[in-house]
Amino acid sequence: GAVVSQHPSWVICKSGTSVKIECRSLDFQATTMFWYRQFPKQSLMLMATSNEGSKATYEQGVEKDKFLINHASLTLSTLTVTSAHPEDSSFYICSARVLNEQFFGPGTRLTVL
Amino acid sequence: AQSVAQPEDQVNVAEGNPLTVKCTYSVSGNPYLFWYVQYPNRGLQFLLKYITGDNLVKGSYGFEAEFNKSQTSFHLKKPSALVSDSALYFCAVREAADKLIFGTGTRLQVFP
Repeated sequence: GAVVSQHPSWVICKSGTSVKIECRSLDFQATTMFWYRQFPKQSLMLMATSNEGSKATYEQGVEKDKFLINHASLTLSTLTVTSAHPEDSSFYICSARVLNEQFFGPGTRLTVL
Repeated sequence: AQSVAQPEDQVNVAEGNPLTVKCTYSVSGNPYLFWYVQYPNRGLQFLLKYITGDNLVKGSYGFEAEFNKSQTSFHLKKPSALVSDSALYFCAVREAADKLIFGTGTRLQVFP
């Protein structure tokens, strides 16, 4: 089946530093990937749509300069949280689109101290 | 805009009993509806979807969902719950450009 991986699975960083999260489609190519954010005991909120070879499309209210998305290949999209602050602590989940379905990665838990 | 609502934050059921997790939707046009399950600190796993066709959709792990157009509902069901079914369940509707809009989630707790 379609497998999506994320790395790292968890990360702790100091306030003000930047953190990069990778999302890979392991056995298929994905022209479109999605990045979600999930707060504790809450639903997933779509942050942006990542398109291979073009700029990401951000949802309203998401700062594009803070959450940098790069989709440089058909199997890899990265989310960089720049100048992270404690309020950025969250569970970040990516998904890759295959035909009409999305397959989700296992998530990355970010804790900013 | 498309949306889904999950009216119950938590559902408790005894093992072996049938379970229902509720979802209602609001869409313009034909709805594409999904159910996902999330285990602690994990991503989402696809359970089933409704695109068109039979109103009763069968999915993974013995789950099924019934699409009811008149009630705008898409409730998730299982005839006999297992303790291992305890998890967080999300209903979702697909919007334009394949974006998924998720409900707030329902925590299912199955007691032995």
